[in-house]
Amino acid sequence: DAGVIQSPRHEVTEMGQEVTLRCKPISGHDYLFWYRQTMMRGLELLIYFNNNVPIDDSGMPEDRFSAKMPNASFSTLKIQPSEPRDSAVYFCASTPLRGGNEQFFGPGTRLTVL
Amino acid sequence: EDKVVQSPLSLVVHEGDTVTLNCSYEVTNFRSLLWYKQEKKAPTFLFMLTSSGIEKKSGRLSSILDKKELFSILNITATQTGDSAIYLCAVERGNDMRFGAGTRLTVKP
Repeated sequence: DAGVIQSPRHEVTEMGQEVTLRCKPISGHDYLFWYRQTMMRGLELLIYFNNNVPIDDSGMPEDRFSAKMPNASFSTLKIQPSEPRDSAVYFCASTPLRGGNEQFFGPGTRLTVL
Repeated sequence: EDKVVQSPLSLVVHEGDTVTLNCSYEVTNFRSLLWYKQEKKAPTFLFMLTSSGIEKKSGRLSSILDKKELFSILNITATQTGDSAIYLCAVERGNDMRFGAGTRLTVKP
């Protein structure tokens, strides 16, 4: 398996534009997580899915952020409209089970909003 | 409010030194504590701890959990420059995972 795949790897956009980040989890993994990492706040959990269903989105910073998982092999994180403070590295991770299992992280998407 | 606190936030040592990284937590519905190493890419898994007092080892790295005092330590012996990274502690709660801010370790030759 190629591991968790994220795209794009780098994204530079202007304030106000819509940004869509994509993630393909490891095949067979039932849980998918979106994280955001910044220098100021470290690694934060934004939302996670179980079997394509959003379970907890309490970490989503505000309504400008939305996430979907239309099928078991694909998820998106969308920011609309983007703001400079959204600049961060966004990680996607997947795991086959809950209950103290290792999460496999993708390479991340570095987002810069000008 | 649940929290995971790592200390120190940064640490500079020389090759060959031994370091101890700390992670204390206060969370509801504790399930496990995990350590990750992050270099210039995504975090990579080191250890998962669920039981108190049982040390986990992998080469020069070891870790132990104290569920009574609510902390864990990560030890690295005979440090090498390749150990330079951010070490993240994460606590799995009932529904999700909370990360600490990380400890930035720099190992100088």
